[in-house]
Amino acid sequence: DAKTTQPPSMDCAEGRAANLPCNHSTISGNEYVYWYRQIHSQGPQYIIHGLKNNETNEMASLIITEDRKSSTLILPHATLRDTAVYYCIVRWPNFGNEKLTFGTGTRLTIIP
Amino acid sequence: DAGVTQSPTHLIKTRGQQVTLRCSPKSGHDTVSWYQQALGQGPQFIFQYYEEEERQRGNFPDRFSGHQFPNYSSELNVNALLLGDSALYLCASSLRGHNQPQHFGDGTRLSIL
Repeated sequence: DAKTTQPPSMDCAEGRAANLPCNHSTISGNEYVYWYRQIHSQGPQYIIHGLKNNETNEMASLIITEDRKSSTLILPHATLRDTAVYYCIVRWPNFGNEKLTFGTGTRLTIIP
Repeated sequence: DAGVTQSPTHLIKTRGQQVTLRCSPKSGHDTVSWYQQALGQGPQFIFQYYEEEERQRGNFPDRFSGHQFPNYSSELNVNALLLGDSALYLCASSLRGHNQPQHFGDGTRLSIL
């Protein structure tokens, strides 16, 4: 699975959009980009995933560049409950490969 | 619809002891994976169970073993505990082969004295 690079920490004002970048320059053609977050004392929570098209769900939007070497997770209206560590993971979801390789993630702090 | 449940939530053991952690997957899921998360680090993959067999394994010694039961629930066993085994142990479940996201439990906090 390709490695990812994320900034160690970011701040965002409450009510503003939080944009979390991720670099995955060695991604291969069949690898997806997944985002999880982990709120203190809880297990990781799935947010969104995508292959090459932009994706949106009720939690966030995922923007993947055309060359697929980087992506951005967007939380459109950040709240205090969005304070968490966000992990960007690249994985090839072939049959039998369930392994998620977590890095150290980005610690996002929402400022009131 | 219950999510992934793990027990116990906290556990204290001493060096050299053995421990068993338990996980019930989300309803409809057939695959269970275990992760170890040391303080301040991201989770590290231990192994995955499907159809009651270990299918994929991370870089962990044989002291770490597991089991999956016919109802898809799973156990993680760690023998000869070391101080370095102190961590949060997370269980994740998924439906194999469908590229659906893994769902995590809130983990078991294991402390070794």
